[in-house]
Amino acid sequence: AQSVTQPDIHITVSEGASLELRCNYSYGATPYLFWYVQSPGQGLQLLLKYFSGDTLVQGIKGFEAEFKRSQSSFNLRKPSVHWSDAAEYFCAASTQGGSEKLVFGKGTKLTVNP
Amino acid sequence: KAGVTQTPRYLIKTRGQQVTLSCSPISGHRSVSWYQQTPGQGLQFLFEYFSETQRNKGNFPGRFSGRQFSNSRSEMNVSTLELGDSALYLCASRPGGLNTEAFFGQGTRLTVV
Repeated sequence: AQSVTQPDIHITVSEGASLELRCNYSYGATPYLFWYVQSPGQGLQLLLKYFSGDTLVQGIKGFEAEFKRSQSSFNLRKPSVHWSDAAEYFCAASTQGGSEKLVFGKGTKLTVNP
Repeated sequence: KAGVTQTPRYLIKTRGQQVTLSCSPISGHRSVSWYQQTPGQGLQFLFEYFSETQRNKGNFPGRFSGRQFSNSRSEMNVSTLELGDSALYLCASRPGGLNTEAFFGQGTRLTVV
């Protein structure tokens, strides 16, 4: 079955430190891949997406993600975290050229210490 | 350009009642999808509509239904509400073509008591 796994439920970093959030997928073929962020009580905002091509993808708010086919991973990174980055982050995947259905990971909650 | 609008934002219903949630997609978008978000199950796909037709359906009971109108606005209905239906219901819209991302609304927080 198609699935997305985010191994880390909760991560705490200090402001200014670097960040990496992990995401692994299990699909028959390489899916479309996305990272979304959600602030408490809010909807989801798209940070970045991977459809094909360059495996290093740049997104909004200084985030980037790297697609690694050999590891079935799409990890999110940020070189220097700001207090405003505290939120929950969701990795998602959908079948290429087919269903519009997104399969989400369980999310990683990010806490930023001052 | 206005974003995805969901109404109402908050709703409290009693077990056994039914509820209708509304979603207005971004202008020009023809695909609308619905998701249920709960602390235990996370984000789960309910269904997707494109040009008034349901194209895909998740693994939810028949109490959950939806429709899409000619102006692409969508509604979802839950009948015979159960306590477990308490959740944040999110709507997402897409233009409808390939290689497009979903834009989400703020959600409707449904509480069943």
